[in-house]
Amino acid sequence: ETGVTQSPTHLIKTRGQQVTLRCSSQSGHNTVSWYQQALGQGPQFIFQYYREEENGRGNFPPRFSGLQFPNYSSELNVNALELDDSALYLCASILAGTSAYEQYFGPGTRLTVT
Amino acid sequence: AQSVTQPDIHITVSEGASLELRCNYSYGATPYLFWYVQSPGQGLQLLLKYFSGDTLVQGIKGFEAEFKRSQSSFNLRKPSVHWSDAAEYFCAVAAGGNTPLVFGKGTRLSVIA
Repeated sequence: ETGVTQSPTHLIKTRGQQVTLRCSSQSGHNTVSWYQQALGQGPQFIFQYYREEENGRGNFPPRFSGLQFPNYSSELNVNALELDDSALYLCASILAGTSAYEQYFGPGTRLTVT
Repeated sequence: AQSVTQPDIHITVSEGASLELRCNYSYGATPYLFWYVQSPGQGLQLLLKYFSGDTLVQGIKGFEAEFKRSQSSFNLRKPSVHWSDAAEYFCAVAAGGNTPLVFGKGTRLSVIA
């Protein structure tokens, strides 16, 4: 139990639609990262937020965007969905002020684009 | 840029047998190294990590890993596998403490009786 929750668990969308995925971290976790895990692959870094500002982005197009809120929750938004966006989306949070450097992962949201 | 290679896509071991999962990384400086486990339908659980110091690190569930700089490797081991260890295992590298993780493609472990 990592204390990181994600919603919804599963989601089915149609190509071209927009989707919002949500992540809720524990108090004090002021850094959150989002990863995309395609079937049979390892997770790939999408972007990271620190104190509500994006401070790192992987090789993903601008139609992938995010928000982080003061209550330690965050969102991943994907516009103009494509079939290849079908994947498990994971969020991970890091507890501020710790030297443990542990990213706590949520259970993920399984997105299917048809 | 960092990269991780897990050469074995799928490994099958008998319950009670020993296990070694291979991980090779590419990074110019001393990396931060991690092993995660993912059970079906679950998120990622951290097994162990290495930042510095003793190159043999102990983790949860009886796992250990050894950092070998000369071989750019961070192999995961367990002396006696249990059926509940069947899962997907991911090795990951990071440039720093709170920097993004770069994952390998994973090794699927099957355990037979």
